[in-house]
Amino acid sequence: DAKTTQPPSMDCAEGRAANLPCNHSTISGNEYVYWYRQIHSQGPQYIIHGLKNNETNEMASLIITEDRKSSTLILPHATLRDTAVYYCIVRARTDSSYKLIFGSGTRLLVRP
Amino acid sequence: NAGVTQTPKFQVLKTGQSMTLQCAQDMNHEYMSWYRQDPGMGLRLIHYSVGAGITDQGEVPNGYNVSRSTTEDFPLRLLSAAPSQTSVYFCASSYSNGYGYTFGSGTRLTVV
Repeated sequence: DAKTTQPPSMDCAEGRAANLPCNHSTISGNEYVYWYRQIHSQGPQYIIHGLKNNETNEMASLIITEDRKSSTLILPHATLRDTAVYYCIVRARTDSSYKLIFGSGTRLLVRP
Repeated sequence: NAGVTQTPKFQVLKTGQSMTLQCAQDMNHEYMSWYRQDPGMGLRLIHYSVGAGITDQGEVPNGYNVSRSTTEDFPLRLLSAAPSQTSVYFCASSYSNGYGYTFGSGTRLTVV
C-alpha cells in the first residue's frame, strides 16, 4: 500500500470550511483513497473514499488531483464536533489482504 | 443494534496473566481485524482475518493470538500479559470489498 503524508495538526473556525490535505505521491492505479476520523478516544469512523473522481456525501467532499498524487478532504461547515484526528489511507479494493494501515493523521481543532 | 461489540470495555491485568478480548459483529462481514492504539499514537494492525478459518499477522503480532471459528467472532488472546501491552484495543470489520470498515468502541487494557 502507498504511504501517505499529512500535516500533524490544523485548525479552523467554527462554521468555516476545513480543508485537510493528504499527499500520496506513490499511489498505484488500483488504489483508493479512504478517509477516517477518530473523535477523542472512540473507534475510528469512516468518512468517504474515492478513486479518481471527486466524491461528496453527507459528511464531506473528497477532491483528488488529476495525477492522483494528492487529495483534500473538505468539511464544508466545520462544527466543534468535527474536532478529531483525521486519517488518510490508500489501499487497493482488490487487495486480498484487506489490510487497513493507519498513519499518524491530522489533528483538527475547530475553534469557537 | 448492528455493529461491532467489544468486551470488556476496561481490564486491568497483572504481568504474566492471560486473557481474551472478545469481538463480535452481526453484519455478516467477512473481514475482521484487531488494532492497538498507544497514547497519542495512531492505530497499529495486530492480526486480521479475511474469513472463518483464515487469519494472518499485521504490523505488531507478537504476544497475541487469534482464531476465527465463526464469521461473527474474532477473539484476541494475550498469552502472557506484559506492561508494553497496555493500550486501547479496537476491533473492526468490513465486507470483503474493504468498503466502510466499522470499528468497535474499544477495550482499555492496563497491565501492571
